[in-house]
Amino acid sequence: GAVVSQHPSRVICKSGTSVKIECRSLDFQATTMFWYRQFPKQSLMLMATSNEGSKATYEQGVEKDKFLINHASLTLSTLTVTSAHPEDSSFYICSAPELAGGPYEQYFGPGTRLTVT
Amino acid sequence: AQKITQTQPGMFVQEKEAVTLDCTYDTSDPSYGLFWYKQPSSGEMIFLIYQGSYDQQNATEGRYSLNFQKARKSANLVISASQLGDSAMYFCAMRDYGNQFYFGTGTSLTVIP
Repeated sequence: GAVVSQHPSRVICKSGTSVKIECRSLDFQATTMFWYRQFPKQSLMLMATSNEGSKATYEQGVEKDKFLINHASLTLSTLTVTSAHPEDSSFYICSAPELAGGPYEQYFGPGTRLTVT
Repeated sequence: AQKITQTQPGMFVQEKEAVTLDCTYDTSDPSYGLFWYKQPSSGEMIFLIYQGSYDQQNATEGRYSLNFQKARKSANLVISASQLGDSAMYFCAMRDYGNQFYFGTGTSLTVIP
C-alpha cells in the first residue's frame, strides 16, 4: 500500500516556540492531505484539510493563525504550531488519500507526539 | 449530529475466541464507504477492512470480517481467533459522498491470555 511519512515522530519544545511537522506521501501524489489531532484515549479530530496550490480549509474551532498549514508540493504538507502552549501537547496525525488506489482509502502517517513544556 | 457511533468503550476477549466490535453510522448519502482501523499503543493507524455502500457481500480480510447491515446502518467488525497482538484501539470510520472522513470514538480491545 501507499506510504505516508511524518517527521519528527516526537518533539519536545518550550512554551512560546514554534514547531513544524512534515507530512510526505512517499510513492504517490497527494493534492489533498488531512491533519488530525488526537488526545489520549480519544478519537481523531480533523483539524484541517491541506490543499496543494491553495489555502487550507480549517475545521470550526481551529485557529488558523496558530496552526499554519502549507501544502508546498504534491508530496509535502507541513503543519506549524506557532507560539506553542502546554495545551497544544497532543498526537498529530496526517493522512493522504490515494485516488487511484481503489476505495478512496486514506493512508495515515505514523503520527507526531508533541510535548510542550 | 454524530456520524459514527461506537458504543463499546472497552471490550475484553479470551485468546482464540471471536469478538464483535459495534459500529453504527448516520448518513443520507447513497454512496459511502466504511472502514475499520486498528491503533496500537505506538499510535499508527492500521487499515483493516473496507466496505462500500453498494457492496452486496460482507467484506472479509483474513481474520477480520465486516458484518454490514445497510438497513440498520451498522458495520460491525468481527475478529475471529483473537490473538494477544490484537489488543489495541479500534476505530470505525465513514467516508461520505464528499470524501470527508468521520471517525467513531473508538473501542479499546484487550485480549486475555
